[in-house]
Amino acid sequence: DTGVSQDPRHKITKRGQNVTFRCDPISEHNRLYWYRQTLGQGPEFLTYFQNEAQLEKSRLLSDRFSAERPKGSFSTLEIQRTEQGDSAMYLCASSRYTRTGGNSPLHFGNGTRLTVT
Amino acid sequence: ILNVEQSPQSLHVQEGDSTNFTCSFPSSNFYALHWYRWETAKSPEALFVMTLNGDEKKKGRISATLNTKEGYSYLYIKGSQPEDSATYLCASPANTDKLIFGTGTRLQVFP
Repeated sequence: DTGVSQDPRHKITKRGQNVTFRCDPISEHNRLYWYRQTLGQGPEFLTYFQNEAQLEKSRLLSDRFSAERPKGSFSTLEIQRTEQGDSAMYLCASSRYTRTGGNSPLHFGNGTRLTVT
Repeated sequence: ILNVEQSPQSLHVQEGDSTNFTCSFPSSNFYALHWYRWETAKSPEALFVMTLNGDEKKKGRISATLNTKEGYSYLYIKGSQPEDSATYLCASPANTDKLIFGTGTRLQVFP
C-alpha cells in the first residue's frame, strides 16, 4: 500500500492559464474522489469516479473544471481559464467500494495547493 | 442538501487536558459517520467510521460516540498531547456515495 499520491504538490499560475493535476489512487481502490478545500472550510466535494465512470459532478462546479479517469486507475483534474477564486487545496481520495457504500473510509493524498495570481 | 456541522471551530487546550468536540448531522436517512484527523502538511487520516446508533469506537486516547436518532457524534481526546494538534473533520455520506464534510474543529494543544 503506497498510499494516494498527488502531483504537483504546489502550483502557482497566472489568471487565465489552464492547469492539470494528477492523482494516483491506491491500486486496489475502485473509487476516486476529488475535493477542494479553502481556508476555514471543510473539504468540498467536486466529483467522483467508480473505475473509469464519472458518477457525479458537483452542481456548484463550473464548466471550466473537468476530470477524467481514463483507465480506471489514475485521474486528472483540469481547470481551464483559472480565476483567483480557484485558489485552494485540491484533494484526491480513494476507497474500496462496498455495497454498504458510505462505510468505507477515504484515503487521501497530500493535496495540490493551487495559487492563482 | 445534507448539512454537517461541527463545533467548536477551534479549541486551545493545555497538555494533559481532556477535550471533546461535536458533529451534528441530519438524523433522517443516516448511513454512516466518519471522523478524520488532518495534521498540518499531511493528508487527512481516517479515525473512525461509525454506522450503528450507540456505537462507541476507541483508538488509543481518542474515542467517539454516535447518536443517530438525534443526529450527533462526539469525539473525545483523553490527556491531550501536542501531537494531537490537528483539524478534526467529521463527514457523512449524502447518498451512500459521496462524503459531505463539516468545517472541522481545529485543536491546538500547548505544552
